[in-house]
Amino acid sequence: AQTVTQSQPEMSVQEAETVTLSCTYDTSESDYYLFWYKQPPSRQMILVIRQEAYKQQNATENRFSVNFQKAAKSFSLKISDSQLGDAAMYFCAYRSSGWGQGAQKLVFGQGTRLTINP
Amino acid sequence: DAGVIQSPRHEVTEMGQEVTLRCKPISGHNSLFWYRQTMMRGLELLIYFNNNVPIDDSGMPEDRFSAKMPNASFSTLKIQPSEPRDSAVYFCASSWASLADTQYFGPGTRLTVL
Repeated sequence: AQTVTQSQPEMSVQEAETVTLSCTYDTSESDYYLFWYKQPPSRQMILVIRQEAYKQQNATENRFSVNFQKAAKSFSLKISDSQLGDAAMYFCAYRSSGWGQGAQKLVFGQGTRLTINP
Repeated sequence: DAGVIQSPRHEVTEMGQEVTLRCKPISGHNSLFWYRQTMMRGLELLIYFNNNVPIDDSGMPEDRFSAKMPNASFSTLKIQPSEPRDSAVYFCASSWASLADTQYFGPGTRLTVL
């Protein structure tokens, strides 16, 4: 079974600075998808960014980018120019490729709580 | 477009009572997922449906939990009888089933069982 590990329970950063959240995963599959979701205090789960394992290019969405290292099974999230609205829990998630039973489910890490200091 | 809709947003009930959580997926999506979030176990999948058919219910904790999807626009998660350890936030998510689908989450239902 796949597992996702986020080793940083909490992180903090000064407003306008850059912060990187870490995520590692364990899988024997060669094709899969990785996601970062944000959960603000409203508890709504919001998709931040996604990465297809077959793509070598790292995904980017505005101030958010990932560093995907397939061989190391690492998938970190970089937030540039941090804003107060970025304060939230961030979850890394894994999804298998394919259609077998359970393939579509998301496997989540334990989350990292990000605080933005003004 | 409206996102995934869940009701109620908050539910407080007493142990032994029946609880029904409801979900309306995004129109056009054909996959629906129920997740549970607790401090101890984090986010975990309970069950998911493709085209209204349950595909994987291996995450359903026990027989007290049941889920149905009678049509493409509605699903329920029922707990009977409820226990204090069922207290959690329950999320519904939907997607267009494909190899590249992204799941979109509802706002969640916070359930408290006294």
